[in-house]
Amino acid sequence: DAGVTQSPTHLIKTRGQQVTLRCSPKSGHDTVSWYQQALGQGPQFIFQYYEEEERQRGNFPDRFSGHQFPNYSSELNVNALLLGDSALYLCASSSLAGDRVDEQYFGPGTRLTVT
Amino acid sequence: RKEVEQDPGPFNVPEGATVAFNCTYSNSASQSFFWYRQDCRKEPKLLMSVYSSGNEDGRFTAQLNRASQYISLLIRDSKLSDSATYLCVVNLFMDTGRRALTFGSGTRLQVQP
Repeated sequence: DAGVTQSPTHLIKTRGQQVTLRCSPKSGHDTVSWYQQALGQGPQFIFQYYEEEERQRGNFPDRFSGHQFPNYSSELNVNALLLGDSALYLCASSSLAGDRVDEQYFGPGTRLTVT
Repeated sequence: RKEVEQDPGPFNVPEGATVAFNCTYSNSASQSFFWYRQDCRKEPKLLMSVYSSGNEDGRFTAQLNRASQYISLLIRDSKLSDSATYLCVVNLFMDTGRRALTFGSGTRLQVQP
């Protein structure tokens, strides 16, 4: 049973560029959430996708956008990169079904460095 | 005020010690609560859910006090492998019926031989 996978593992970009990060949820999960984790901080919620739509959004600017595909995988896009966007980007998957509907499982993350 | 607050630590304890972490949350409408563990440069992993009646999983005991809006985690007989950052997490139901996890900044535990 494959867990949550993310690609790439590491990425270096220049200010002003655009980046796309990818996530495949755990088998049986239909909901994908994205988080940004700066060094020394807890993960901060960016947004959540369910049924190919953005359902919830945290306090992040419109430069952060996403997409969910029919197979439940998801992409996070960040435009006009800033130095402050350097962080670990985590994807978490979950499912509405069953008793453990709130438990989210994280992928290994993509470490983005903006120079 | 942060929505979820934790003492950042570090808590330095000897092997075999009992250690407790507390966490407070600001939103009284919070619906569910968790402790996650995060090793250095790794992803957070679910340690345990926290139920109103309190729950135990081996050496780990979690408690929830809704009236005071705090959550605790107790680790007994600490092992070297318990060294990690412990994240307090609150799951809030949004207006649309969906949920979003809000994380504390974490409490770092270092168990020493």
